[in-house]
Amino acid sequence: EPEVTQTPSHQVTQMGQEVILRCVPISNHLYFYWYRQILGQKVEFLVSFYNNEISEKSEIFDDQFSVERPDGSNFTLKIRSTKLEDSAMYFCASSNRVGGNQPQHFGDGTRLSIL
Amino acid sequence: DAKTTQPPSMDCAEGRAANLPCNHSTISGNEYVYWYRQIHSQGPQYIIHGLKNNETNEMASLIITEDRKSSTLILPHATLRDTAVYYCIVRERRNTDKLIFGTGTRLQVFP
Repeated sequence: EPEVTQTPSHQVTQMGQEVILRCVPISNHLYFYWYRQILGQKVEFLVSFYNNEISEKSEIFDDQFSVERPDGSNFTLKIRSTKLEDSAMYFCASSNRVGGNQPQHFGDGTRLSIL
Repeated sequence: DAKTTQPPSMDCAEGRAANLPCNHSTISGNEYVYWYRQIHSQGPQYIIHGLKNNETNEMASLIITEDRKSSTLILPHATLRDTAVYYCIVRERRNTDKLIFGTGTRLQVFP
């Protein structure tokens, strides 16, 4: 069964550095998402992306964050000037259509540790 | 905020049916009920969803009450690998993207 893949599985970065988290969505999917989960807390929506532009973003997704689909397969989340509080699991998801009747399928995440 | 209420934890014996309840008393006519689960710190795994009819797939069954104010996810023969946090999420039928996760139900399946 097709799946969303994320790399790396664990990223350790010094505070203040930039980090890029990578995702390969399911191949025929057109809608892409990033969520994060701080240890012990809820899964939180960050951003959704379609047709090479952001379609929705949360208050968390400020100027520190950006997303890109650099080619036909990858979807990336860039975090600039990382802070200690950016430490979390970051999950990528994709779906083939938007709307209530289309499930989003998640990858297994990247654990980001900021030192 | 999440529009659903779930018990924080439940236990189930291996091989028995696990029935996980969810209250969504404020659900509107255009909202779907979705179930996901999260095993350890893995990504949320889609299980099933429905609008008003009961649904069944290879993983589970979803029973939605006639007034749609509550639902039950049924794992017919729970295994140890079903130990996870189960999330019930209501989602609008229109073009909205995000899933809003609550704290879910931690299901512990024991031998």
